[in-house]
Amino acid sequence: SQKIEQNSEALNIQEGKTATLTCNYTNYSPAYLQWYRQDPGRGPVFLLLIRENEKEKRKERLKVTFDTTLKQSLFHITASQPADSATYLCALDFGNEKLTFGTGTRLTIIP
Amino acid sequence: DTGVSQDPRHKITKRGQNVTFRCDPISEHNRLYWYRQTLGQGPEFLTYFQNEAQLEKSRLLSDRFSAERPKGSFSTLEIQRTEQRDSAMYRCASSYGTAGVNTDTQYFGPGTRLTVL
Repeated sequence: SQKIEQNSEALNIQEGKTATLTCNYTNYSPAYLQWYRQDPGRGPVFLLLIRENEKEKRKERLKVTFDTTLKQSLFHITASQPADSATYLCALDFGNEKLTFGTGTRLTIIP
Repeated sequence: DTGVSQDPRHKITKRGQNVTFRCDPISEHNRLYWYRQTLGQGPEFLTYFQNEAQLEKSRLLSDRFSAERPKGSFSTLEIQRTEQRDSAMYRCASSYGTAGVNTDTQYFGPGTRLTVL
């Protein structure tokens, strides 16, 4: 069965630095890969989607890469701020409308 | 608030009882999903509707779970004969699916936290 690993459960980054989160998966590459943000007590909120034929996608301070050879996606937050502190989830999307989520990485930006 | 809403937000029940949760999606959304989330884990897919049709149900889902979306708007998730292992956050999400486009952005509700004693 498909496995998704997100880098260490928790990541602490100094404010202003770039935070890099990883999402590795096994078996088949998805048609799309999505990243969500989840704050405590709230539902996940969509951030970015990248297609299997795209190498990179950007949105403001966010950047996502997708390498189907390495079976890996990287999620970068540049010029990180304390307000970026949250859990970030990657989700595999095989184009069949259901998402398979990773366990998430809890990111803390230290002022 | 025009987002996805769920009711109740919290439910405590005794083992063996039946519970029912409701989800109201964003009004123009034709797709509705149910997920289960436990502490430290990402949401786990349970089932999915397009309009009123239930198109997929997780193989991991017990027969004690059933979901409906009778008029293609709100949905209910019922768990019969609850067990302690059913304790989790049950999340609903909705999206607007376009014909010929097989991916979309899902909007999640706040969830219903179920505690089975």
